[in-house]
Amino acid sequence: DIQMTQSPSTLSASVGDRVTITCRASQSISSWLAWYQQKAGKAPKLLIYKASSLESGVPSRFSGSGSGTEFTLTISSLQPDDFATYYCQQYNSYPLTFGGGTKVEIK
Amino acid sequence: QLQLQESGPGLVKPSETLSLTCTVSGGSISSSSYYWGWIRQPPGKGLEWIGSIYYSGSTYYNPSLKSRVTISVDTSKNQFSLKLSSVTAADTAVYYCASLRDFDWLYSPDYWGQGTLLTVSS
Repeated sequence: DIQMTQSPSTLSASVGDRVTITCRASQSISSWLAWYQQKAGKAPKLLIYKASSLESGVPSRFSGSGSGTEFTLTISSLQPDDFATYYCQQYNSYPLTFGGGTKVEIK
Repeated sequence: QLQLQESGPGLVKPSETLSLTCTVSGGSISSSSYYWGWIRQPPGKGLEWIGSIYYSGSTYYNPSLKSRVTISVDTSKNQFSLKLSSVTAADTAVYYCASLRDFDWLYSPDYWGQGTLLTVSS
């Protein structure tokens, strides 16, 4: 199985901050990586697919980059609606695997 | 836009079989562009992919659960289902169904159901 490791596990930030979350794969997954946002009690929402493609309807302050084994999700200017937990997930091979999550908290 | 809705009992006894159904609306489960899958999340923990199915019946399962999992599809009802046998307290989780979109012949979740909490307890 491909292991996905996210850092940090928790991040404290203020509205307007630039936020970066890192995701590392235990082996190369090319660009087959997705990012999700999950709010408490809700289902995950797809933000980014193929490492850097923005899902339709997702604000442009979200961006993704990387390939191979190292990836980042960046929020250019954190908004109140962005406080949530973020997960990366690889779909290069089965079983599909997720990172452990990064909780973005209000500073 | 696809909508997915899970249904099933909220409580299952240890050693019994968990059965959940996902009803798809806003699109056909027979679409060639999608797989359909189950993902779970224990309370306060991360996400675990359980398995996926194509409308033709082709399946992929997580090896960690494969011996206990069966996913099936009913195209006439636009539904797919999950059965997980011999459940224990470790199977207590929110269970999500999801559509898996074709991203250049590799499939990954895009739309998710709201999730249903399944508790294993006597």
